[in-house]
Amino acid sequence: DADVTQTPRNRITKTGKRIMLECSQTKGHDRMYWYRQDPGLGLRLIYYSFDVKDINKGEISDGYSVSRQAQAKFSLSLESAIPNQTALYFCATSESGTGGLNQPQHFGDGTRLSIL
Amino acid sequence: AQTVTQSQPEMSVQEAETVTLSCTYDTSESDYYLFWYKQPPSRQMILVIRQEAYKQQNATENRFSVNFQKAAKSFSLKISDSQLGDAAMYFCAYRAYNAGNMLTFGGGTRLMVKP
Repeated sequence: DADVTQTPRNRITKTGKRIMLECSQTKGHDRMYWYRQDPGLGLRLIYYSFDVKDINKGEISDGYSVSRQAQAKFSLSLESAIPNQTALYFCATSESGTGGLNQPQHFGDGTRLSIL
Repeated sequence: AQTVTQSQPEMSVQEAETVTLSCTYDTSESDYYLFWYKQPPSRQMILVIRQEAYKQQNATENRFSVNFQKAAKSFSLKISDSQLGDAAMYFCAYRAYNAGNMLTFGGGTRLMVKP
């Protein structure tokens, strides 16, 4: 089983719909992240959470919200989807503390979201 | 804010030959980490190699090595003996020492490997 699991893998929906992307992890990491990937722009940070009670906006948080339901679960919501939110979305996790300083992030396999 | 630039949107290499992917970054920090991630068509993000800025020695992982030039803020990836399985998107990423492990990514380079 994957350490970081994203659902759904693919989703097509219509403008104005509410969408939730889910992420769960079995790595026991405190820190979780949501990115979106667009061609030519790489991955950009939407939101991040250092623990259940600590949630922060990233570079491009407008139009998105998140919920950290438990250490292992971090969901991303689009309250009213619009076509320019069509992208590949990634969840990632990482260790916290001094032991995690040089550790890489661990990514899920992404959710491809298309908004018509 | 830090920025990461990958100036080559696409590169191609003949199987068994060597290719170098470029990455430059802009930062005022002195302590930071640099990473190369590989994204094959399966969409996974796979860590290829990482470099700590305080280390002068260039990192190496099997056929993958980096040329880290701190003064020039350059972090290129060299792939030796290229294989068909190396075909993928490659992303360079930067993280400041106290950035809470948040990454800033470049726009990516698509590498094609010709048989």
